Amino acid sequence: EAGVVQSPRYKIIEKKQPVAFWCNPISGHNTLYWYRQNLGQGPELLIRYENEEAVDDSQLPKDRFSAERLKGVDSTLKIQPAELGDSAVYLCASSPQGSTGELFFGEGSRLTVL
Amino acid sequence: KQEVTQIPAALSVPEGENLVLNCSFTDSAIYNLQWFRQDPGKGLTSLLLIQSSQREQTSGRLNASLDKSSGRSTLYIAASQPGDSATYLCAVRMVTGGGNKLTFGTGTQLKVEL
Repeated sequence: EAGVVQSPRYKIIEKKQPVAFWCNPISGHNTLYWYRQNLGQGPELLIRYENEEAVDDSQLPKDRFSAERLKGVDSTLKIQPAELGDSAVYLCASSPQGSTGELFFGEGSRLTVL
Repeated sequence: KQEVTQIPAALSVPEGENLVLNCSFTDSAIYNLQWFRQDPGKGLTSLLLIQSSQREQTSGRLNASLDKSSGRSTLYIAASQPGDSATYLCAVRMVTGGGNKLTFGTGTQLKVEL
């Protein structure tokens, strides 16, 4: 069974440029998460989806970050414009048992903003 | 606010040694706790999930215990191998009337030396 797939794995951009990350969760997983992980820290939640509905986006910086999960399957996270402080690893995770079950993570997308 | 602490931040042991990684949390009213490993430049791999009603979970050489009342969990690794070298993170889930939240610790970086 395929795991959570993310792309791109690495992205280097200049500040003020836009960037987008894509995630395809494990088949049948209704819950999808986007996390941000800074070096030496644990992941921090940006947004959680139940099917196509964003049920927790309280930590998403909405002035520059946006996300969508149009058909309740794959999802896109966008940053526009990027700032130096956005450099981090963006992790996508999915869960087969609703919002309280075991999480399965993708490999992450490492963003460097110059 | 739930706070999750993992001590030590780094640990180096010789191959073959049994070891214990610690995770402590400030609010004992947790829903479940999950242990992950993270290899450099990779995403998180789920190791064990312990529900709040459970005392321990085992998978191969790994055993995770949970003591809710004292706000502690331990991950025991038997007969450590160089391939166990990674960062180990614990994550605690709280479920309240306002929703649910998963809080990660900052991890213990383990190095198993030949």
